[in-house]
Amino acid sequence: EVQLLESGGDLIQPGGSLRLSCAGSGFTFSAYNMGWVRQAPGKGLEWVSSIVSGTPLYGDSVKGRFTISRDNSKNTLYLQMNSMRGEDTAIYYCAKYGDNGRGYKWYLDYWGQGILVTVSS
Amino acid sequence: DIQVTQSPSSLSASAGDRVTISCRASQTINSHLNWYQQKPGKAPKLLIYAATNLQSGVPSRFSGSGSGTDFILSISSLQPEDFATYYCHQTYGTPWTFGQGTKVEVK
Repeated sequence: EVQLLESGGDLIQPGGSLRLSCAGSGFTFSAYNMGWVRQAPGKGLEWVSSIVSGTPLYGDSVKGRFTISRDNSKNTLYLQMNSMRGEDTAIYYCAKYGDNGRGYKWYLDYWGQGILVTVSS
Repeated sequence: DIQVTQSPSSLSASAGDRVTISCRASQTINSHLNWYQQKPGKAPKLLIYAATNLQSGVPSRFSGSGSGTDFILSISSLQPEDFATYYCHQTYGTPWTFGQGTKVEVK
């Protein structure tokens, strides 16, 4: 069974830094692209960042402030968040990309339960 | 950036109704369009990928159609567990973007 477990969420002051982790199990972690999606309170989904064939990709609102990385030896995905702002307050979901076996890999087939990050003074 | 616009933003329906939700992209995205269902307090769940492909384990009352810029999610006969919010998501060009969501409520 695929499982994704986020950790590291906290209350952080504006301008501060935080690192989220996502531990994957039940699948060959190194074989799949991974990503982060967030949801501000009462709002819709926003793509944050993904690591695709080793290449990091970022949404416009986090580019230059957030860094995605992975440690395949630990089956863990990370999101380093710096210069945090109030608008970064959200539930952050870790998600695994799928692979339909016919070359299409651009969908998120499993999601973690989410972790709350609050940016406030 | 590619914008995806869902309509309607909300709808009221009864169990047994056929429901359709539209998603329009601001430029062609071929078939790089996925649909998710989200219930309150829960993570999103994949329903449809690549516009028309039903994810394993998802009931066959869900279906997706379209390509290019216009896409439809259909629920053939709404069940009580289908009352939720639905999102489309384009993965053709970064930044990958979600629609604003469609909340399906009890009539």
